[in-house]
Amino acid sequence: DAGITQSPRYKITETGRQVTLMCHQTWSHSYMFWYRQDLGHGLRLIYYSAAADITDKGEVPDGYVVSRSKTENFPLTLESATRSQTSVYFCATGGGYTEAFFGQGTRLTVV
Amino acid sequence: DQQVKQNSPSLSVQEGRISILNCDYTNSMFDYFLWYKKYPAEGPTFLISISSIKDKNEDGRFTVFLNKSAKHLSLHIVPSQPGDSAVYFCAAESNNNNDMRFGAGTRLTVKP
Repeated sequence: DAGITQSPRYKITETGRQVTLMCHQTWSHSYMFWYRQDLGHGLRLIYYSAAADITDKGEVPDGYVVSRSKTENFPLTLESATRSQTSVYFCATGGGYTEAFFGQGTRLTVV
Repeated sequence: DQQVKQNSPSLSVQEGRISILNCDYTNSMFDYFLWYKKYPAEGPTFLISISSIKDKNEDGRFTVFLNKSAKHLSLHIVPSQPGDSAVYFCAAESNNNNDMRFGAGTRLTVKP
């Protein structure tokens, strides 16, 4: 029982390609989040979801799309990847006035 | 507009001494605050939290202090240990939307 898993762990893609990062949780937590970590910026919120079929923009949503058809999955799609989207992406679940649990991250490189 | 700020990118302390990590926030709607610890190539892990109705919360060697009037919180680690060396993130939530916002992080190095 892994709790929260992200896939892939590493991804290299070309500029302009669509890429989807997967996030799966086994706890049935309501809230799920996507963050990106960049040097000097820490963790910045891209999108979050309070429940299935409910998603909201965070601080840096441009260029990203999310969906949440099932409680346990929260995929993040880069519709047309740009070099500025090279980053480490973290999915998290929990929150809502309690601790959040993070996945191990996906290191994405856009060339 | 970064609503949670950690102005010290790094901190170095000697083993056994106190580490003090600081965090400031601008959004007065924040009412729940958390600290996370992150090792390289891993996701952040929860360390300690505090509600805005308190001004102090303690858990073993870790204590978080909240000064609401100054919109400032701090994490104290006493005594510091080499295994505490990591990046520490401050985070905040508000009642109206529960999206967690993070600071830029402070890299703590504890020297033996």
